[in-house]
Amino acid sequence: DVKVTQSSRYLVKRTGEKVFLECVQDMDHENMFWYRQDPGLGLRLIYFSYDVKMKEKGDIPEGYSVSREKKERFSLILESASTNQTSMYLCASSLIQGIRNEQYFGPGTRLTVT
Amino acid sequence: EDQVTQSPEALRLQEGESSSLNCSYTVSGLRGLFWYRQDPGKGPEFLFTLYSAGEEKEKERLKATLTKKESFLHITAPKPEDSATYLCAVQAYSSASKIIFGSGTRLSIRP
Repeated sequence: DVKVTQSSRYLVKRTGEKVFLECVQDMDHENMFWYRQDPGLGLRLIYFSYDVKMKEKGDIPEGYSVSREKKERFSLILESASTNQTSMYLCASSLIQGIRNEQYFGPGTRLTVT
Repeated sequence: EDQVTQSPEALRLQEGESSSLNCSYTVSGLRGLFWYRQDPGKGPEFLFTLYSAGEEKEKERLKATLTKKESFLHITAPKPEDSATYLCAVQAYSSASKIIFGSGTRLSIRP
């Protein structure tokens, strides 16, 4: 079974703090993704990575950065947290295997910025 | 622009009352269409991938079908534990692993 884990289920931070969200997958997947999910807006892609040290911006990268130093680990960084970054953050990974490309998600981190 | 629209937004059924959820899509060359189930406060759980029109996949009380413009998730004789949000997503050949999600259908099954 594919397993994607996220470092925290719930996190409360203050405005201006630097926030790190960690994600680890155990299935040797090449691709990893960070999404945020908000009511009425659905899942929106922040960044993704298709290889170690490689990254691409998604639809809403502003205010975020990412790091992928090892294949199994993908970190999302909020350089200076703001209240509009309060959200559910979801990490996902996928394998590149022929046409198979489904994404497997972690349990999510609910971040509240006060 | 690639787009996914799901309907209805919410659906309430009685236990045992079969129905279908719709996912309409526009994409420049469909690589795959995905269905996920999401329980409140949890990450989406992968259900199915469909690759070409006419394809069908089944899992327990769920069956997903695909045409050139839409996909249906048929739920036969649902149980209360089938209550969840069901998400549809598509991937285009041009998208380099990115997928586009619909906003989901919230399904509620009353006992």
